[in-house]
Amino acid sequence: AQTVTQSQPEMSVQEAETVTLSCTYDTSESNYYLFWYKQPPSRQMILVIRQEAYKQQNATENRFSVNFQKAAKSFSLKISDSQLGDTAMYFCAFMKHHSGGGADGLTFGKGTHLIIQP
Amino acid sequence: NAGVTQTPKFRILKIGQSMTLQCTQDMNHNYMYWYRQDPGMGLKLIYYSVGAGITDKGEVPNGYNVSRSTTEDFPLRLELAAPSQTSVYFCASSYGGGYYGYTFGSGTRLTVV
Repeated sequence: AQTVTQSQPEMSVQEAETVTLSCTYDTSESNYYLFWYKQPPSRQMILVIRQEAYKQQNATENRFSVNFQKAAKSFSLKISDSQLGDTAMYFCAFMKHHSGGGADGLTFGKGTHLIIQP
Repeated sequence: NAGVTQTPKFRILKIGQSMTLQCTQDMNHNYMYWYRQDPGMGLKLIYYSVGAGITDKGEVPNGYNVSRSTTEDFPLRLELAAPSQTSVYFCASSYGGGYYGYTFGSGTRLTVV
């Protein structure tokens, strides 16, 4: 079974600063996907960014980027030029690849509560 | 474009009561999922479905049942509510195995007293 660990229960930074959220995972799989989801106070789960394990290049989506270290099983999220609207819970999640199709869902970490201070 | 719609948004149940959480999606996704989120925890998979007529257990299926008679609908049934089922429930859907991410509903907050 896979496990996902987010070691920072809460972080707080000033608006416009850069912040990095940590995530480590444990798996024996070689082909998998990693995700960061954002959950603002509205409770809606929003996909922020995804990474395919077989791709060495780190994914980037506007102000959001990841540092994917496959050997270290680390998948951190960097938010540049942080904004008040980035205040939310952030969840790291793992999904293994099924070569024959099918799926068995996402495994989530416990989350990091990110607070952007004005 | 509604996406994934969950009803109700809030519900209070008494111990031993039953209820069905409704979930419908209009994106023609073949995969659908039910998760629960307890305070301070990530989401845990209850049940999932890879298509109409096919369902399978996730990590925490005890106390729940599901059915998938159509592509659009994936209701979650609680037969004998217990306080341990107090949680926020999320329905999600994806095209294929969800390798490009899921679309989540807005959640149902359920309290069992």
